[in-house]
Amino acid sequence: GAGVSQTPSNKVTEKGKYVELRCDPISGHTALYWYRQSLGQGPEFLIYFQGTGAADDSGLPNDRFFAVRPEGSVSTLKIQRTERGDSAVYLCASSKGTNFYNEQFFGPGTRLTVL
Amino acid sequence: AQSVAQPEDQVNVAEGNPLTVKCTYSVSGNPYLFWYVQYPNRGLQFLLKYITGDNLVKGSYGFEAEFNKSQTSFHLKKPSALVSDSALYFCAVRDGGATNKLIFGTGTLLAVQP
Repeated sequence: GAGVSQTPSNKVTEKGKYVELRCDPISGHTALYWYRQSLGQGPEFLIYFQGTGAADDSGLPNDRFFAVRPEGSVSTLKIQRTERGDSAVYLCASSKGTNFYNEQFFGPGTRLTVL
Repeated sequence: AQSVAQPEDQVNVAEGNPLTVKCTYSVSGNPYLFWYVQYPNRGLQFLLKYITGDNLVKGSYGFEAEFNKSQTSFHLKKPSALVSDSALYFCAVRDGGATNKLIFGTGTLLAVQP
């Protein structure tokens, strides 16, 4: 079946611009996560949705970052006034739920480059 | 706070030889541990998980992992390495709390030589 998809696969922008990154989770998965992976590092948690609501946004680095999931399926990560330090691969993951035995399935990621 | 450590940046092994990729963890409460693999320009793929039960966990592509509570380790193993196993491997632990978010190690690059 279809996995998690993310668009675009690559995004190059200029410092100060606004970007949106999209995630389509696996159908039926209620939990959705965003992670950020910097070069040479493991993924770091940004935000988690259960259904439509952001249940945990403790990983968002500052108020330039925002994410929505208005219908409980597709999610968009929004970054305002981008900075060079925002350059990273942004990964989306989904799972059936948040029970401790539910593994997360990851998308291919969006590579964001801020010039 | 939950954490995992992967002490090796890179592991080199000859094709056909057994491989081990190391991971140690630090948790408060029960450990829920995962291994993921990342191929170039691709997302993370789930390999296996330890939740409870047998200390030897079997996963995808012939991989297995051994949970050792006394040594707080969860090493990834495979009896016979393939060149196609060459990739970046991440150990992760479930964070305590209701969200099930994962805390990842820094990754270990596995290079299998023909």
